[in-house]
Order: sequence, then structure tokens, then C-alpha cells
Amino acid sequence: GAVVSQHPSWVICKSGTSVKIECRSLDFQATTMFWYRQFPKQSLMLMATSNEGSKATYEQGVEKDKFLINHASLTLSTLTVTSAHPEDSSFYICSARDWQGPNAYEQYFGPGTRLTVT
Amino acid sequence: DAKTTQPNSMESNEEEPVHLPCNHSTISGTDYIHWYRQLPSQGPEYVIHGLTSNVNNRMASLAIAEDRKSSTLILHRATLRDAAVYYCIPTVNRDDKIIFGKGTRLHILP
Repeated sequence: GAVVSQHPSWVICKSGTSVKIECRSLDFQATTMFWYRQFPKQSLMLMATSNEGSKATYEQGVEKDKFLINHASLTLSTLTVTSAHPEDSSFYICSARDWQGPNAYEQYFGPGTRLTVT
Repeated sequence: DAKTTQPNSMESNEEEPVHLPCNHSTISGTDYIHWYRQLPSQGPEYVIHGLTSNVNNRMASLAIAEDRKSSTLILHRATLRDAAVYYCIPTVNRDDKIIFGKGTRLHILP
């Protein structure tokens, strides 16, 4: 099946610094990728939709200047949390949509990145 | 967007079938019904999806009511590895974004 990877799997950073999370589709091309955030004991919350070669579309209430998304290629999207604060500590999950083949339109999720801001 | 109602949690014994219900009474005629699950500390995993007919794959079966206002995910023989949160998600199109509700937390008893 289609595989989506994330790097790093976990990261600890100091308050005020920025951290970048990578999301890669390993065996398929993904024109669309999605970024989610999940707090403990809660469901996933969609943050933004990332389209290759264009600006990301953010969900209501998500600060686009704080969560910078870049989708420069068909296999890579990055999420940069700028000036991170403890309340940004969360589990960040990306997903990618496979547009071709027998699994066209299915959405595959990465394993997640746990961010802790101290 | 169609709203869904799922039980907060369910329990089942290992090696027994599990029926996970989902009500989606506001679903439109063209909405697909997707099921995903999330194992502890992992990203969600696609389970199955359907439109009108019942569907089977290696992981599960999906039974869709004739009026499409509800569906049931069937795990034929639950194992401990099936313990997860299961999400029922209608989408307008197959390429619509996936919006997660609260899901059902399934506990498997050995």
C-alpha cells in the first residue's frame, strides 16, 4: 500500500524557536497533502490543505503566519511552526492523496510527529 | 457537511465479531462513507469506504443501510491489534478532505 512518512517522529524545542516537519509520499505522487493536529484524548483537527505549487488553504482559526506550509514537489510538503510556544505542543499528522492507479483518491496518513515545546 | 453519530466506546472479546455502528442521517445521495481507524500514537489508517452497496476487503466489511442513513463496520474476528479509535466519515466527493469526528474507541478484551 501507499506509504507516507514524516520526519522527525518527535521533536523537543524551546519556546520562541521554529521547527520544521516534513511529510513525504514515498511511492506515489501527491498533488494534495493535508496537515492535522491532535491534542491528547481529542480527535484530529484539520489545519490546512496543501496543493503542490500553490499556496495552502488554511481552516478557520488556524494562523497561516504561524504555521507555514510549503508543498514544493509532488512528494514533499513541510509544516514550519514558527515562534513555537508550549500551547503548540501537539501531535502533528500529515496525509497525502493518491490521484492515480487503483487507489485513486484515497488518503494516506503519516505516522505523526510529536512536538513538545518547553 | 453530513453529521455523524457514533458510540463513544465499545468493548468486544478477542476473536469475536465486532459491529461498529454509525448514524449519518443527513447524508446526501452522493456522499461516500469512509471508515478510518487510529491505533494508539499512530496516524489514522484507511479501513474501507462505500457508496450504496455493501463492501468487503481484507480488513473489514461495510454494511450500508438501504436508506443510507446508517452504516456498520464489521470486523469479522477481532484481535488485540484492532483496539483503536474508529471514525466514520462521509465525504461529498471521493476527493473531499477528511474531517474527523470523535469516533468510537474500541477495546478488545483478551
